Amino acid sequence: NAGVTQTPKFQVLKTGQSMTLQCAQDMNHEYMSWYRQDPGMGLRLIHYSVGAGITDQGEVPNGYNVSRSTTEDFPLRLLSAAPSQTSVYFCASFATMGGEGTGELFFGEGSRLTVL
Amino acid sequence: QKEVEQDPGPLSVPEGAIVSLNCTYSNSAFQYFMWYRQYSRKGPELLMYTYSSGNKEDGRFTAQVDKSSKYISLFIRDSQPSDSATYLCAMRSTGRRALTFGSGTRLQVQP
Repeated sequence: NAGVTQTPKFQVLKTGQSMTLQCAQDMNHEYMSWYRQDPGMGLRLIHYSVGAGITDQGEVPNGYNVSRSTTEDFPLRLLSAAPSQTSVYFCASFATMGGEGTGELFFGEGSRLTVL
Repeated sequence: QKEVEQDPGPLSVPEGAIVSLNCTYSNSAFQYFMWYRQYSRKGPELLMYTYSSGNKEDGRFTAQVDKSSKYISLFIRDSQPSDSATYLCAMRSTGRRALTFGSGTRLQVQP
């Protein structure tokens, strides 16, 4: 029972470098999303996807790109890393049963990113 | 002003105490209310889920929603050291999958 798997768990980048955070889920969930978690700010939505080929912006999308070529995978790309992107990133998928779903977001373990 | 406000704590209680955690919100469109528990260096996990107003009980946990006051609560009875974690409230409106989270309350239950 893998659930939502994120890699890497830790990463240190220099300002201006690019990288991709990987997210995969094996629950056949249509909805997937990326959040960042910062002290005192809670979890804020970066991007989300309601199915393969469909993505949309969340609350804090600037500096990040996403794509969804398969149901299972939803990578998050940092184009040119900045110190303000130092955070813990969580990928989450949503279980839908019927029209509105159960409300349960399944989260990965998180990816801790430091940008120097 | 944030859409969802939550006291960050930390909240320290002795084992066996009743714990009350709260969130207020400003968006009257929110219909689905959740509480997530997050242990240190782990992802959040769903604890309680409530639709619209009312109470829901699950073991030692009770969730309450008062939509007229835009106020939700989580009560933990007979608290245990294993309840020590950060508790995040979350909510969403009908038709949306994205959740709006509170900033989380850190709870420490002392043995």
